Amino acid sequence: AQTVTQSQPEMSVQEAETVTLSCTYDTSENNYYLFWYKQPPSRQMILVIRQEAYKQQNATENRFSVNFQKAAKSFSLKISDSQLGDTAMYFCAFTPFQGAQKLVFGQGTRLTINP
Amino acid sequence: SAVISQKPSRDICQRGTSLTIQCQVDSQVTMMFWYRQQPGQSLTLIATANQGSEATYESGFVIDKFPISRPNLTFSTLTVSNMSPEDSSIYLCSVDRGQGYGYTFGSGTRLTVV
Repeated sequence: AQTVTQSQPEMSVQEAETVTLSCTYDTSENNYYLFWYKQPPSRQMILVIRQEAYKQQNATENRFSVNFQKAAKSFSLKISDSQLGDTAMYFCAFTPFQGAQKLVFGQGTRLTINP
Repeated sequence: SAVISQKPSRDICQRGTSLTIQCQVDSQVTMMFWYRQQPGQSLTLIATANQGSEATYESGFVIDKFPISRPNLTFSTLTVSNMSPEDSSIYLCSVDRGQGYGYTFGSGTRLTVV
């Protein structure tokens, strides 16, 4: 069974700082997808970034980037120049490569950006 | 990418009653997923709804408690039956955008059972 672990229940940084959220996962699959989702107080789930396991290059979306270490089964999210609007719950998620399958979520990290 | 309209956005219900949550997608999708998010927790999959067949339920969730309908490729409902305070959660529907592009979620239904 696949599992996703986020070891940081809460984090807090000052505006404009850089913050890294950790995520590890366990799977026997070789090809899969990893995602980071953001859930602000509005509770809408917003896709932040995605990574395909067969791509060695780390994904980047503007201020958001990942450090994907396949052998270590690690998938951390770095937020640069953090903004007040980044305050939210962040969930790491996994899904196998083939077909439309369910997402397996980590426990989440509550990130607070302080002014 | 798909846009999902989910309603109601919130409701307060009496114990013992039932609530039906609706999700309408603006494009045809094969599978729809229903998740529960208990207060302060992560998302847990309730069931996968495939058009034209019975929904597939995850361990710990049963059809009598969470019946699902999937009458066509753009619509699904989840009913929370015989509610108790323990059912107070956010319920979200989701669809796969395909080719690993991630999943789109509805805006969620915040259910409070009193």
